[in-house]
Amino acid sequence: AQRVTQPEKLLSVFKGAPVELKCNYSYSGSPELFWYVQYSRQRLQLLLRHISRESIKGFTADLNKGETSFHLKKPFAQEEDSAMYYCAPPCTSGAGSYQLTFGKGTKLSVIP
Amino acid sequence: NAGVTQTPKFRVLKTGQSMTLLCAQDMNHEYMYWYRQDPGMGLRLIHYSVGEGTTAKGEVPDGYNVSRLKKQNFLLGLESAAPSQTSVYFCATYPGSLQYLGNQPQHFGDGTRLSIL
Repeated sequence: AQRVTQPEKLLSVFKGAPVELKCNYSYSGSPELFWYVQYSRQRLQLLLRHISRESIKGFTADLNKGETSFHLKKPFAQEEDSAMYYCAPPCTSGAGSYQLTFGKGTKLSVIP
Repeated sequence: NAGVTQTPKFRVLKTGQSMTLLCAQDMNHEYMYWYRQDPGMGLRLIHYSVGEGTTAKGEVPDGYNVSRLKKQNFLLGLESAAPSQTSVYFCATYPGSLQYLGNQPQHFGDGTRLSIL
């Protein structure tokens, strides 16, 4: 099974400062990783998927197989980026079922 | 399309009461999940289902039961509510192996805020 670790529960940065939200993974095959974002009292929504290599709201995430990491980065934080961020892989059990396990999440707080 | 709809959105219960949370989806997804979200604990999987008529335990299944009688609905039941079950509950869906299109994300509902006194 693929698992992820988000080492920081809380990350505070000043507006305009760079942001890096860490995610490390362990896997037994090709990783398929996502970042989800949850704004205050809202549902989780997809932010990025690694395979598409896209940039959403200024965020990017590069898969580093050597370091088994998928860190989320943004060069200049905005106040509206304050939210919970979850790193997640898909996971298959031996029976082929999909049991998705999320990281514990990192709460990003952008200080004006 | 509504996507994933959870009812109710809020509920306050007394210890020992029972209730059922409903998750409905209109995307024809095979897999459905129930998570609870608590401060500092992230999302923890309670139960999940890989198809109509099937259910499986997740990370924290004790005190909860689930049923998937129809493909579009996934019910989460609390038979005897306890204060430790005060949480925000999220339902999510995933296309499943038969509809695997490569690197698909989960789809989430808006959540149910449950308080048990």
